Amino acid sequence: DTAVSQTPKYLVTQMGNDKSIKCEQNLGHDTMYWYKQDSKKFLKIMFSYNNKELIINETVPNRFSPKSPDKAHLNLHINSLELGDSAVYFCASSQAGSSTDTQYFGPGTRLTVL
Amino acid sequence: KNEVEQSPQNLTAQEGEFITINCSYSVGISALHWLQQHPGGGIVSLFMLSSGKKKHGRLIATINIQEKHSSLHITASHPRDSAVYICAVVFSGTYKYIFGTGTRLKVLA
Repeated sequence: DTAVSQTPKYLVTQMGNDKSIKCEQNLGHDTMYWYKQDSKKFLKIMFSYNNKELIINETVPNRFSPKSPDKAHLNLHINSLELGDSAVYFCASSQAGSSTDTQYFGPGTRLTVL
Repeated sequence: KNEVEQSPQNLTAQEGEFITINCSYSVGISALHWLQQHPGGGIVSLFMLSSGKKKHGRLIATINIQEKHSSLHITASHPRDSAVYICAVVFSGTYKYIFGTGTRLKVLA
């Protein structure tokens, strides 16, 4: 069984559309994260939720809205997609959100905005 | 200047060589993570360090808190070690993860 899963794996869409990426973890972890990896392969944290509550919110356009219906899921909704949103988005989870916890990553979702 | 610097950016080695990848950071941290990103894109956490040294198989990670520096060593390197190795730090008093730009390692048979 996959520990951290994301859907879809690939997403190609037109500028201006709204899209969602789903993330689920079956590890029983309390904390989940979203990261963006740009074309230069540079990783940046976007959001972190601990027990469904937002604990990290980096400087991300408010077109990006994370939603955590329960602690096993953290979905990323993006409104009015722009060309610069094209990237690979990784979801991750950790036991308790401590900086010393090991993070487990999903396989990534490659978003292409045309 | 990035708050987390890695060197080298690219590294090509022959199978069997001992490899060292370095990570330096600018201010106090609560933890440092080493990650491996496979050519297919998947990311795996290798180590978490807050002090000292850790070993797992052929991989060894060390951290010197005073010098704000960490190294990842690979002994007896193998082509399957070819990947991008990424250092990430969490600055003290924050939950903020800052990533290095990664070191692309290629091990030739």
